[in-house]
Amino acid sequence: GAVVSQHPSRVICKSGTSVKIECRSLDFQATTMFWYRQFPKQSLMLMATSNEGSKATYEQGVEKDKFLINHASLTLSTLTVTSAHPEDSSFYICSARELAGLTDTQYFGPGTRLTVL
Amino acid sequence: SQQGEEDPQALSIQEGENATMNCSYKTSINNLQWYRQNSGRGLVHLILIRSNEREKHSGRLRVTLDTSKKSSSLLITASRAADTASYFCATDTGFQKLVFGTGTRLLVSP
Repeated sequence: GAVVSQHPSRVICKSGTSVKIECRSLDFQATTMFWYRQFPKQSLMLMATSNEGSKATYEQGVEKDKFLINHASLTLSTLTVTSAHPEDSSFYICSARELAGLTDTQYFGPGTRLTVL
Repeated sequence: SQQGEEDPQALSIQEGENATMNCSYKTSINNLQWYRQNSGRGLVHLILIRSNEREKHSGRLRVTLDTSKKSSSLLITASRAADTASYFCATDTGFQKLVFGTGTRLLVSP
């Protein structure tokens, strides 16, 4: 089946630093990837939709200058949390939609746990 | 918020019992999907039901969809301790985006 990986799985950083999270589709091409944030014991909230070769579309309330998204190839999207603060600590999950897929399934990565001290 | 509601928020049962989770949503949909998430992990896709379907089965899972009531249910039969996880419904409104429900935390005790 389709596999999506994320790197790193866990990151701890100091307040004010920037953190980059990678999302890769390993065995399929994805024109569209999605980035979600999940706080403890809560549901997933969509942050942005990332389309290969174009600018990401951000959901209302998500700061595009703080959460930089780059989707440079059909298998890689990156999320950079700039000038991270403790309130950015969360579980970040990406998903990918297959280019030639006949189904409406999104394949999810294993998530990245970000802790900002 | 467009987020769906799930109930119960938490469900505790014994192995062998059935578990039923309900999901309500707010807008018209193309399909509704159910996902499972083990603690601190990513999501696993369980089943997708399209808006023109009323019921779907997959192994021990049974999903129903009532578009007139904007609701869905997930039934897990003969539950096992390994079914312990959080379960989320997610609606696809046709713009590629998924809107997740609030989730149900299921605990299955041996």
